[in-house]
Amino acid sequence: AIQLAQSPSSLSAFVGDRISITCRASQDIRSALVWYQQKPGKAPRLVIYDADRLETGVPSRFSGSGSGTDFTLTISGLQPEDFATYYCQQFLDYPPLTFGGGTKVEMK
Amino acid sequence: VQVVESGGAMVQPGRSLRISCAASGFTFSSYSMSWVRQAPGKGLEWVSVITGTDGRSWYADSVKGRFTVSRDNSKNTLYLQMNSLRVEDTAIYYCAKNKFVATVSELTFDSWGPGTLVAVSS
Repeated sequence: AIQLAQSPSSLSAFVGDRISITCRASQDIRSALVWYQQKPGKAPRLVIYDADRLETGVPSRFSGSGSGTDFTLTISGLQPEDFATYYCQQFLDYPPLTFGGGTKVEMK
Repeated sequence: VQVVESGGAMVQPGRSLRISCAASGFTFSSYSMSWVRQAPGKGLEWVSVITGTDGRSWYADSVKGRFTVSRDNSKNTLYLQMNSLRVEDTAIYYCAKNKFVATVSELTFDSWGPGTLVAVSS
């Protein structure tokens, strides 16, 4: 099974900051990488698909990059509504479909 | 586009439960559908996927042989039959729609339900 390692597991930031979250795959997954945002008590929300494509309706301050084994989700100009937990997910090789362990973004 | 789960409950270990997901706002039969679960305070775990029309399915090892996914396209409804439930199956179960039509090879979930809680405890 392909494993996804997210780092950091949590971070604190100010409104307006630029933050980056990393997802590292245990083997080459090309661009088969998705990012979700989840707020407490809510279902996940699709943010980025195919590693770097912005989902419709998601603000342009979100961006994704990477291919192969190393991927990054960047939020440029953090807004209060962006404080949440972010998960990466790969779909190149399943079963099992796998998720990263999550990164909690908290307000400093 | 909307998907809404139902049927979650508290059950004893070893018992069975079927949960459902009602879909609307899209051509249900054209999309593969998945179940994803989240144990309390934990991350996301994929459970199963079923194709749109021919009903092929795949499972996580943790549920294989115990859970069965099915769908009734005439009712726009997805099901998950869970047998031999274990304490470690306790989680919120989400129904998720694939973003891409008529494929099961690019599993990207663009619509999620609010989830239904399954609690397994004696």
